[in-house]
Amino acid sequence: DIQMTQSPSSLSASVGDRVTITCRASQTISSYLNWFQQKPGKAPKLLIYTASTLQNGVPSRFSGSGSGTDFTLTISSLQPEDFATYYCQQSYDSPRLTFGGGTKVEIK
Amino acid sequence: QVQLQQSGPGLVKPSQTLSLTCYISGDSVSSNTAAWNWIRQSPSRGLEWLARAYYRSKWNIDYAVSVKSRITTQADTTKNQFSLQLNSVTPEDTAVYYCVRGIGSWLDYWGQGTLVTVSS
Repeated sequence: DIQMTQSPSSLSASVGDRVTITCRASQTISSYLNWFQQKPGKAPKLLIYTASTLQNGVPSRFSGSGSGTDFTLTISSLQPEDFATYYCQQSYDSPRLTFGGGTKVEIK
Repeated sequence: QVQLQQSGPGLVKPSQTLSLTCYISGDSVSSNTAAWNWIRQSPSRGLEWLARAYYRSKWNIDYAVSVKSRITTQADTTKNQFSLQLNSVTPEDTAVYYCVRGIGSWLDYWGQGTLVTVSS
C-alpha cells in the first residue's frame, strides 16, 4: 500500500495566520491527492480533490498544490471555524485508498 | 443533494458479525458514475478503507486485503442501499464506520458514522 505521511502532526496558530500542511506519498501518485477536514464527532468533509481543485462550497482561503509525491494544503487566513484535523488521501492506487495520519490545527 | 443514512447496532460481541446498512438518497446505488465505499476510523488504525461496490454494466466489488476473508458488501437496488458485514469480529474492529460515496477519484459524501464497539 502507498503510505501517506503528513507533517506536522499538530500545530498551534492564531486567527488570521497563514497555515501550511504537507503530505508526502511513499511513491508517485500523480495528482490523485485529496484533502479532508474533520471536526470532533463528525465525518470528514472533502475540501480539495485532485490536488488543487476546490470542492463546491469550500471557502477560497483553502488551496492545494503539488504533484508526484509532495503536496501542500494552505489556509491563507485561518478562521475560528478552521480549527480541526486535516487529512490527505491518495486515490492513485484505487481501490486501495490510504490516508495520512492527520494534522490537528489548534488555537494558539 | 446526496445523503447517506447509516443504521446498525453499536455493540457487537467478539466472534459475532458486525452488520451495517447505508441508505442513499439523492443518487442511485446503481449509478454508472459512483462507487459505494465503507471506511472505518479508530485511534490505532486511523482512517482505513474497507470495501466498495459499484455498477458498470455489472456489479463489481473490491475488498481491503486486511479484512478480505471476513467482509462482505452488497447493494440492494430495491431499497437503494448498500450493506456491510464483517464476520468474526475482535476488539480490534472497534471503530467508527462510515459509508461514503466515491465519484471520480475522490470521496464526496459521507454518512454520519456509526461507532461500533466489540465487547462482551
